[in-house]
Amino acid sequence: DAEITQSPRHKITETGRQVTLACHQTWNHNNMFWYRQDLGHGLRLIHYSYGVQDTNKGEVSDGYSVSRSNTEDLPLTLESAASSQTSVYFCASSEQIANTGELFFGEGSRLTVL
Amino acid sequence: RKEVEQDPGPFNVPEGATVAFNCTYSNSASQSFFWYRQDCRKEPKLLMSVYSSGNEDGRFTAQLNRASQYISLLIRDSKLSDSATYLCVVKTTSGTYKYIFGTGTRLKVLA
Repeated sequence: DAEITQSPRHKITETGRQVTLACHQTWNHNNMFWYRQDLGHGLRLIHYSYGVQDTNKGEVSDGYSVSRSNTEDLPLTLESAASSQTSVYFCASSEQIANTGELFFGEGSRLTVL
Repeated sequence: RKEVEQDPGPFNVPEGATVAFNCTYSNSASQSFFWYRQDCRKEPKLLMSVYSSGNEDGRFTAQLNRASQYISLLIRDSKLSDSATYLCVVKTTSGTYKYIFGTGTRLKVLA
């Protein structure tokens, strides 16, 4: 069955370290998204991509970067982790259909920055 | 003002009750609307899409009011298993398209 997987599921790191969260989907979806979820804020968009070599900033992109070298993967990198980036991160993908397109989510990656 | 707003709840209702959630959105260019369900510490999953004519899936009914820019979700005959957070999601297609999430409404169904 097609799926979307994230790794690691849990990570503890220290302030200033570089962290990469992996996202891999086997649906062959063009569209991929990274969200963070915090209490009181709901899901906020960090970065998104509509296809290979395409990346775009979302509403909370500062301190994060992504790259899209193939259809299946959209890794999220925190260049220098900060305590404010402690959160649950969800990767999602969708088909490129103009007015529909369900979002499929990975199981989430819980990041703690000490 | 947030682009998508929901009452965070919690809504505590007895089993068998009918409960309704509303969600308002600010971008009139929004094209597609969804309700997602999220269980504690899990990923969101699609509950149902919301169509202009309204739609029903078993005990769940979703409606869209474009003039007033709100969508609703009605749950009839609530079950304990309905306890979760319900996320309102709006997809905008002006230029690029994005999915905007509300903060969610928490429902707890009591035995």
